[in-house]
Amino acid sequence: QKEVEQNSGPLSVPEGAIASLNCTYSDRGSQSFFWYRQYSGKSPELIMFIYSNGDKEDGRFTAQLNKASQYVSLLIRDSQPSDSATYLCAVARYNFNKFYFGSGTKLNVKP
Amino acid sequence: GAVVSQHPSWVICKSGTSVKIECRSLDFQATTMFWYRQFPKQSLMLMATSNEGSKATYEQGVEKDKFLINHASLTLSTLTVTSAHPEDSSFYICSARQGLAGAGGTGELFFGEGSRLTVL
Repeated sequence: QKEVEQNSGPLSVPEGAIASLNCTYSDRGSQSFFWYRQYSGKSPELIMFIYSNGDKEDGRFTAQLNKASQYVSLLIRDSQPSDSATYLCAVARYNFNKFYFGSGTKLNVKP
Repeated sequence: GAVVSQHPSWVICKSGTSVKIECRSLDFQATTMFWYRQFPKQSLMLMATSNEGSKATYEQGVEKDKFLINHASLTLSTLTVTSAHPEDSSFYICSARQGLAGAGGTGELFFGEGSRLTVL
């Protein structure tokens, strides 16, 4: 079983719509959860992180965490073509000494 | 956010040569840095965890004699690919952790720009 699982996509949404990206993790000892965006040929950039159950909002992005279900999601409101990228879910364990990445979900936002 | 600089961005070398990649945290001290490699259309694969002043911890299947990691200071870690071969061609990415919550940081990873290695 993989540490972090994501649907590889591609997920296609029209411009202005809400994009919903999902991630599940296997270890209940996971401490914190991160969403990274990676454009083709570039390194990942941090979008946001979440530690506690519930929602965390930052601009057009909302991260949702449900530890009981071992589920993390990222919502992107008012999606823009520039949001088209691969989104990586990452989980930290062992006091942030181990980070596990999902395989990423490719998002296409169509103008 | 924090800045991590990686150099070189691109490197082309002949088979059998060694290549060194540097990773620097520019505005924070990083006791721990991580080295990843990424093949096209695949996710990041953790190679090793680099700890300042001690030996790196390698993931299973990663040859420590081939991928030499040195973390000599709180702001610099290096990865040397020794006797590189075409199958070592990949995108190598370093990342640094910005401390922990309550210690001046929130623990998230910041990535360098990546180094694309092509071995001829």
